[in-house]
Amino acid sequence: GEDVEQSLFLSVREGDSSVINCTYTDSSSTYLYWYKQEPGAGLQLLTYIFSNMDMKQDQRLTVLLNKKDKHLSLRIADTQTGDSAIYFCAEVTGGTSYGKLTFGQGTILTVHP
Amino acid sequence: ETGVTQSPTHLIKTRGQQVTLRCSSQSGHNTVSWYQQALGQGPQFIFQYYREEENGRGNFPPRFSGLQFPNYSSELNVNALELDDSALYLCASSPGLRANYGYTFGSGTRLTVV
Repeated sequence: GEDVEQSLFLSVREGDSSVINCTYTDSSSTYLYWYKQEPGAGLQLLTYIFSNMDMKQDQRLTVLLNKKDKHLSLRIADTQTGDSAIYFCAEVTGGTSYGKLTFGQGTILTVHP
Repeated sequence: ETGVTQSPTHLIKTRGQQVTLRCSSQSGHNTVSWYQQALGQGPQFIFQYYREEENGRGNFPPRFSGLQFPNYSSELNVNALELDDSALYLCASSPGLRANYGYTFGSGTRLTVV
């Protein structure tokens, strides 16, 4: 089956690191994504990781993938107030004929000054 | 390079009416997908269009239909609107069928059904 789960809320202090966790169920997923959504806006692709990788770093963002446990995390270093938003993890499903993104419910990140 | 643009940004319709939402894909992108995002939820896949044909569909009834045009732009049509259709509708384009190419999302159309 296809199901992606995330914790709903995370609150951190400005300058601290944020870690957002996600679990997925489709073991055939090849790519896993992190998207950011600010109020009233669409989705912004933050980063992605290929399923044969364990870690990917992109400036302040670090993605860790534990394929055995189907667990994905996004770490944001030196979190800023501008990072306050909803963060979605998503897995690619749909077999080989087409690709669809299955999203989690989203984690609301609140950054306090 | 322009991104994905959607119109209108906001729309209010009455239950039972029909609505058409529009999407212009990013330059060079030939695949368009539509997602429905209810308040407080993650986006749900409606369907995908490639070469002007529906190429994959989520768990949505037939009153949700779409079109893709030769210039790769797309429409989402919803007939017999229900209150539960109130949501943010997101269009995403990509340069290929599989999402591993990376989808670019528009800002969405906020549909309210009263």
